[in-house]
Amino acid sequence: DAKTTQPPSMDCAEGRAANLPCNHSTISGNEYVYWYRQIHSQGPQYIIHGLKNNETNEMASLIITEDRKSSTLILPHATLRDTAVYYCIVLYSGGGADGLTFGKGTHLIIQP
Amino acid sequence: SAVISQKPSRDICQRGTSLTIQCQVDSQVTMMFWYRQQPGQSLTLIATANQGSEATYESGFVIDKFPISRPNLTFSTLTVSNMSPEDSSIYLCSVGPPDYEQYFGPGTRLTVT
Repeated sequence: DAKTTQPPSMDCAEGRAANLPCNHSTISGNEYVYWYRQIHSQGPQYIIHGLKNNETNEMASLIITEDRKSSTLILPHATLRDTAVYYCIVLYSGGGADGLTFGKGTHLIIQP
Repeated sequence: SAVISQKPSRDICQRGTSLTIQCQVDSQVTMMFWYRQQPGQSLTLIATANQGSEATYESGFVIDKFPISRPNLTFSTLTVSNMSPEDSSIYLCSVGPPDYEQYFGPGTRLTVT
């Protein structure tokens, strides 16, 4: 899997949009960008994934640059419950049984 | 979606003993994964356990230390053998093809004294 780089921590005010960046400059053409988060003392939770088009679901939006070397996860209206470690992971489509390679992630702290 | 439970949720064990962690899924799944999360660290993949075949271990993890069973499509166990304090971690199982959404269990918090 391609390596990803994320800032170690970020703060965001409650109710504002949280924008979490991820660099994946060595991403290959058939590798997807996945985002997971881990709330303290819980197992990781899937958020969203995408290949090259922007994606949106009920949790978040994913913006991938045209050259696919970076992406941004957007939580549109952050709440205190969004405080968690967010992991950006690059993964082959149809990669089969390789499991997930977690980096250090970004610790997002939502401030009241 | 898949709902995953793990037993025990936490345990305190003596050095030199072994602990078997159970992972139960509410639906049949082909692929199951075991991860370790050491204190303050990210998750590290231990092994992949597919039903009907031997588990595949990642670099740094060996079957003698972390034997895995996968007797059917809804259940797996991970044993942490001959434990030392360095094995104190959270152990998590997950299911699902890794090229799509993967579901994680709540984890087993192990402390070795």
